[in-house]
Amino acid sequence: DTAVSQTPKYLVTQMGNDKSIKCEQNLGHDTMYWYKQDSKKFLKIMFSYNNKELIINETVPNRFSPKSPDKAHLNLHINSLELGDSAVYFCASSGIGEQFFGPGTRLTVL
Amino acid sequence: AQSVAQPEDQVNVAEGNPLTVKCTYSVSGNPYLFWYVQYPNRGLQFLLKYITGDNLVKGSYGFEAEFNKSQTSFHLKKPSALVSDSALYFCAVRVLSGYALNFGKGTSLLVTP
Repeated sequence: DTAVSQTPKYLVTQMGNDKSIKCEQNLGHDTMYWYKQDSKKFLKIMFSYNNKELIINETVPNRFSPKSPDKAHLNLHINSLELGDSAVYFCASSGIGEQFFGPGTRLTVL
Repeated sequence: AQSVAQPEDQVNVAEGNPLTVKCTYSVSGNPYLFWYVQYPNRGLQFLLKYITGDNLVKGSYGFEAEFNKSQTSFHLKKPSALVSDSALYFCAVRVLSGYALNFGKGTSLLVTP
């Protein structure tokens, strides 16, 4: 069973479009995250979220918004996509220990 | 802010030799430190963590790391490298608010036969 899963694995879209990436974890964790990995492999936290609190990295544009229908899911919605949004997006989850990462979604904006 | 630095972009090691991937940290309070590995086109896999306790931490795949408070370091080590260890290694520290991680820039490890 996959612990943290993401769909789609690849996403190619045009500038200006709106897209969503889905994330699900079956680990029973309380906290989920979205990270962005750029073309230089730098990893940066975008959001962390549990059922009580959303913490947003202040550098993230408000075109990005996390949406959590329940504790096991944290989806990432992106409005008005820009070329600079092209990256690999990783979902992760944790309890109080280490984080478990999904396989990533490679987003390409044309 | 909690941060880590990985001074090496790439480390090259011959198979069978010991390897070290360096990480230094800058934190307020006690650090929660982690090492992750990323294989090409894959997600990140957890290797080990230091929260408290013994300074020598043992992790997955024969890796270990030594927490050194005086040198503010948390270097990743393995006594005998394998070609299959070739990957991108990330050091990370937990942020103060919440459980998110701040990652270093990554170190590419190349183990040659």
